[in-house]
Amino acid sequence: SQQGEEDPQALSIQEGENATMNCSYKTSINNLQWYRQNSGRGLVHLILIRSNEREKHSGRLRVTLDTSKKSSSLLITASRAADTASYFCATVINNAGNMLTFGGGTRLMVKP
Amino acid sequence: KAGVTQTPRYLIKTRGQQVTLSCSPISGHRSVSWYQQTPGQGLQFLFEYFSETQRNKGNFPGRFSGRQFSNSRSEMNVSTLELGDSALYLCASRDGGRNTIYFGEGSWLTVV
Repeated sequence: SQQGEEDPQALSIQEGENATMNCSYKTSINNLQWYRQNSGRGLVHLILIRSNEREKHSGRLRVTLDTSKKSSSLLITASRAADTASYFCATVINNAGNMLTFGGGTRLMVKP
Repeated sequence: KAGVTQTPRYLIKTRGQQVTLSCSPISGHRSVSWYQQTPGQGLQFLFEYFSETQRNKGNFPGRFSGRQFSNSRSEMNVSTLELGDSALYLCASRDGGRNTIYFGEGSWLTVV
């Protein structure tokens, strides 16, 4: 079973707008990582946030983590057509080595 | 540094055959894990290796196996292939210091 659920499953926006994707998970985690996947390609690592962190930034990306609600969000600001991809959150569960448990992903389409 | 390298990128096999997929982790990374991605089940963890030892195993039948060599390179094998084994198989390696997990481009397996 999947640890996380992502919301929305699909999102369509215009270039320049912001995109927000949410992820919820079920058990205590060590860290949460966000990935991007272009169609048919591998996963590109975007950002890692540790369980003791609340917010991280990387360029146009902003990730928040609320461990009390077991949820995270990924904000992409000033989106570009090249941001069109699927986005996944993945958690590393305590005492589970390096095993990532993925959500179902959000398919983002950015229209030029 | 080169990224995670997977070979082959694409392959077609017949039901009942077996297949071996190869993964070279990022230089210096000692942990390698494998994932299966299908439209129906999403991204699922197969197994993880560290220093040639399997550390975690996902919920897959015994037809799925793997190993890791002393140079950290890893292979996974699927025997007695079934149509449902058609998937993108992704390999990942972990940066031990930062806990970041990086993925390769994957191997697309089609079983006919």
